[in-house]
Amino acid sequence: DQQVKQNSPSLSVQEGRISILNCDYTNSMFDYFLWYKKYPAEGPTFLISISSIKDKNEDGRFTVFLNKSAKHLSLHIVPSQPGDSAVYFCAASFAGNNRKLIWGLGTSLAVNP
Amino acid sequence: DAGVIQSPRHEVTEMGQEVTLRCKPISGHDYLFWYRQTMMRGLELLIYFNNNVPIDDSGMPEDRFSAKMPNASFSTLKIQPSEPRDSAVYFCASRPGTLMGYTFGSGTRLTVV
Repeated sequence: DQQVKQNSPSLSVQEGRISILNCDYTNSMFDYFLWYKKYPAEGPTFLISISSIKDKNEDGRFTVFLNKSAKHLSLHIVPSQPGDSAVYFCAASFAGNNRKLIWGLGTSLAVNP
Repeated sequence: DAGVIQSPRHEVTEMGQEVTLRCKPISGHDYLFWYRQTMMRGLELLIYFNNNVPIDDSGMPEDRFSAKMPNASFSTLKIQPSEPRDSAVYFCASRPGTLMGYTFGSGTRLTVV
């Protein structure tokens, strides 16, 4: 049973436009969310995170939005660059599960020049 | 810091053989995680250690899989005997007390023929 769902396996965006990657979760106990980026033949690398006490966190071109009532978060990349082409994973955790990360299956983003 | 170091990067072995994957975590990180990534199931947590002690091995698929962490700077994941369905990319990750420093290695691509 997928507790963290990334329903779009892939996304294609034009360079310079906004990329929006979505993530839904089912467990209301989750209180910390992270986004990771993964290039081929490399391990995932941390991108940005958000605590459940916030609804927005911004870091340069990357912004994560959290809607707790909808159990939904999204990652916005503005403007998108070809180097952003990668697989993006959403992950969630809560204190009650020893802070294990529960992962989505990922969304493959292609930014076209 | 060199990051999380995994070896080998690629491993091709015959069914029935023993396979040992190795990981050196980042110095000072208290937690070490072994993951398996497949197309169908995404990133699956196999086992994790805290201060060299296995905390949760509920993700280990079968008794054929075993993991050890003899000291703070080294861990192994062993599969004996290996089967073709074990073919996947295996990642090691480590982190300090907080989730922010969760860092992955580059992975070992295992192919069992």
